[in-house]
Amino acid sequence: DQQVKQNSPSLSVQEGRISILNCDYTNSMFDYFLWYKKYPAEGPTFLISISSIKDKNEDGRFTVFLNKSAKHLSLHIVPSQPGDSAVYFCAHNNDMRFGAGTRLTVKP
Amino acid sequence: NAGVMQNPRHLVRRRGQEARLRCSPMKGHSHVYWYRQLPEEGLKFMVYLQKENIIDESGMPKERFSAEFPKEGPSILRIQQVVRGDSAAYFCASSPQGGAGANVLTFGAGSRLTVL
Repeated sequence: DQQVKQNSPSLSVQEGRISILNCDYTNSMFDYFLWYKKYPAEGPTFLISISSIKDKNEDGRFTVFLNKSAKHLSLHIVPSQPGDSAVYFCAHNNDMRFGAGTRLTVKP
Repeated sequence: NAGVMQNPRHLVRRRGQEARLRCSPMKGHSHVYWYRQLPEEGLKFMVYLQKENIIDESGMPKERFSAEFPKEGPSILRIQQVVRGDSAAYFCASSPQGGAGANVLTFGAGSRLTVL
């Protein structure tokens, strides 16, 4: 029973435009959601998190939005850069299960 | 301050052999997680351990797979009698505090198992 779902397996955007990656969840009992980025042949690295008491957290080009009523969060990357091309995973801190991931490709 | 160290990075085994994957967590981290990534799939949780304790093994296959995190030494993921379907990248991650706070995981570079 997957508690976090990423329904878009891939996303392609043009350099300089906004990338929006989505994640839905079923279990409302969490403290934090986290986003990780993974390059091929490397382990995932932590990108940004959001607390359950907030609806937005921003770090440079990366912003995560949390909509608790819809049980939905999204990661915005603006402006997107070719180096952002990677697989992005969302996870919540209660059990550290990951979504299936979304492969982002940023075209120059 | 070394990060999470996994070895071997690449391991080739024949069907029926045993595979042992090792993970040394970051210094000061006492919580270890193992994940498996099959080709073209996401990260699947396998097991969560603290020193000398298995906290959550709900993601481990019921047979042939086991994990330990002894008081001294690295965490070990052991796969007995490997089959071709075990071919995957196995990632280890560690954290200092378990489920408390944001619980940011630091991942190793992974061990890629190929079963011939």
